[in-house]
Amino acid sequence: QSALTQPASVSGSPGQSITISCTGTSSDVGDYNYVSWYQQYADKAPKLMIYDVTQRPSGVSDRFSGSKSGNTASLTISGLQAEDEADYYCSSYTSSSTLHVLFGGGTKLTVL
Amino acid sequence: VQLVQSGAEVKKPGESLKISCEAFGYSFVNNWIGWVRQMPGKGLEWMGIIYPGDSDTRYSPSFQGQVSISADKSISTAYVQWSSLKASDTAIYYCATARAHYDERGYVPVSFDDWGQGTLVTVSS
Repeated sequence: QSALTQPASVSGSPGQSITISCTGTSSDVGDYNYVSWYQQYADKAPKLMIYDVTQRPSGVSDRFSGSKSGNTASLTISGLQAEDEADYYCSSYTSSSTLHVLFGGGTKLTVL
Repeated sequence: VQLVQSGAEVKKPGESLKISCEAFGYSFVNNWIGWVRQMPGKGLEWMGIIYPGDSDTRYSPSFQGQVSISADKSISTAYVQWSSLKASDTAIYYCATARAHYDERGYVPVSFDDWGQGTLVTVSS
């Protein structure tokens, strides 16, 4: 199954901002505003952090924001905190007849 | 919203299995609910979604024919079942409420909003 492309790892120091990219194609990220981001702590269930590219569910900190440019979506975390250390996955709706929904491979965020 | 999944399972290849996800705190019949697989050390894969109100079910092409998703609206519970497990079915399975978009393929999930705690399924001889 084809996946969206995410960096395997990113890191930052407390208080800094980091951005995680999620690259797809014009059949998914580039053409539709259905990009979501999920946070997953080790041995825990994922949690929805961003949906529809930029929308935050109720209860999610405003330090988390989403954006998109062309075929690449991004998750930005500002004012990095130790509790942000987790895996992050992006997903996108796709017009592909054989896939429907794509997930990225995940990015491990380390807070130094 | 709370989704409570059934406990871990250890099965042998060829055995059948049905795991559950009981929903609390929202209108079960009027919202899509789906299943997502996470194999050991790997990422997320969507399996399928069901609308309990009318049992409309949509499968990922990757899981079509491999699993069966169902729901019992009388007890607000969704299920995924296997008729013959394989070692490669070893994974954590999550249920999650889903938002869906309608296109020429029917309903397709666009986000998974609230998640269950996961059910570990181990298939080994």
